[in-house]
Amino acid sequence: EAAVTQSPRNKVAVTGGKVTLSCNQTNNHNNMYWYRQDTGHGLRLIHYSYGAGSTEKGDIPDGYKASRPSQENFSLILELATPSQTSVYFCASGGTGQNTLYFGAGTRLSVL
Amino acid sequence: GDQVEQSPSALSLHEGTGSALRCNFTTTMRAVQWFQQNSRGSLINLFYLASGTKENGRLKSTFNSKESYSTLHIRDAQLEDSGTYFCAAEDPGNTGKLIFGLGTTLQVQP
Repeated sequence: EAAVTQSPRNKVAVTGGKVTLSCNQTNNHNNMYWYRQDTGHGLRLIHYSYGAGSTEKGDIPDGYKASRPSQENFSLILELATPSQTSVYFCASGGTGQNTLYFGAGTRLSVL
Repeated sequence: GDQVEQSPSALSLHEGTGSALRCNFTTTMRAVQWFQQNSRGSLINLFYLASGTKENGRLKSTFNSKESYSTLHIRDAQLEDSGTYFCAAEDPGNTGKLIFGLGTTLQVQP
């Protein structure tokens, strides 16, 4: 079974602070994704990656950076957190070809 | 999202009954995936379809790429089936991106 682990599971941050959300997958998947989930918007893609060293902008990348230092790890970075970034963030991994996605448990972020 | 329209937005079933959830796509999609988000918030992959029909227990899904829709049938609904069901379509440009619908919230009642 595919395993995607996110940390932290919950985070409270202050406006203007830096936040790093981490994601680790043990499935040797090439593709990794960061989504945020908000009521009324469903899941929206922030950044994704095709492999180590690669990051691509998703549909709502503004205010976020991503880093993929290795096949296993994909981070989402909020350099200057704002209250509008309060949300639940999901990381996912998927292989090439049949790109079945496996999600982590999510990180609940509150920016005060 | 606009390219993936899910219906109904909410559904209530009694245990033992069934129904169908639908996703319509505004453009040709390469494949579709269905997910269940359970009461703990976890997203569980149910199906991946590039075409045709797949079945798993009480769930069955069909993807008609030519007519741009997919369905998820639930039969003999159980309480643990409650949650939100999302369909997601693969970007036709083969970027690996998935476009999610807004979900169908299913409540199964005793």
